[in-house]
Amino acid sequence: KAGVTQTPRYLIKTRGQQVTLSCSPISGHRSVSWYQQTPGQGLQFLFEYFSETQRNKGNFPGRFSGRQFSNSRSEMNVSTLELGDSALYLCASSLVSGTGTNEQFFGPGTRLTVL
Amino acid sequence: GNSVTQMEGPVTLSEEAFLTINCTYTATGYPSLFWYVQYPGEGLQLLLKATKADDKGSNKGFEATYRKETTSFHLEKGSVQVSDSAVYFCALGLGGYQKVTFGTGTKLQVIP
Repeated sequence: KAGVTQTPRYLIKTRGQQVTLSCSPISGHRSVSWYQQTPGQGLQFLFEYFSETQRNKGNFPGRFSGRQFSNSRSEMNVSTLELGDSALYLCASSLVSGTGTNEQFFGPGTRLTVL
Repeated sequence: GNSVTQMEGPVTLSEEAFLTINCTYTATGYPSLFWYVQYPGEGLQLLLKATKADDKGSNKGFEATYRKETTSFHLEKGSVQVSDSAVYFCALGLGGYQKVTFGTGTKLQVIP
């Protein structure tokens, strides 16, 4: 089974620009979560999508948004980039059962650098 | 809110030494608890998990026991190897959602 894939792997943008990151989950996984990883803040939850609906959102400004398509692929968008948005953005997919939090399978991440 | 606190690193051990990485949590409700590991140059992957009090998760010689009374989930291994060098993250999840709260990570370096 192919793992979680993320594209692009590296991005360099300038302040004020916007960026779109893409994530393809493991086949059969309908939940996709996004995390921001930085040396100072560690891993922080951005949002989770399930069946094309956002189920959870972390404490990030509205410049961070996402969506999920009918094939479970997901994109996240960051508008009006700031220097502090430089980070590794991780996507994780999982199966969803009725109760409990399941194992998440992580992609390799997209390294975003904002200049 | 929910939070995870784990011991700061880096931790440097000699091969075959005993490892403990402390993790405590705060949560409303009864979370599932996880240890994830990030090996150099690789993605984050699940090491072990426990879903209820007194459960013991184990994998690759690592163990952690879900202690509700002390709200802890300490990671242990009896004899570490150089190949265990990685960053270890304690994490919790609540309910049927996939919103996971991670600790800050502990970097482990094992020297021969």
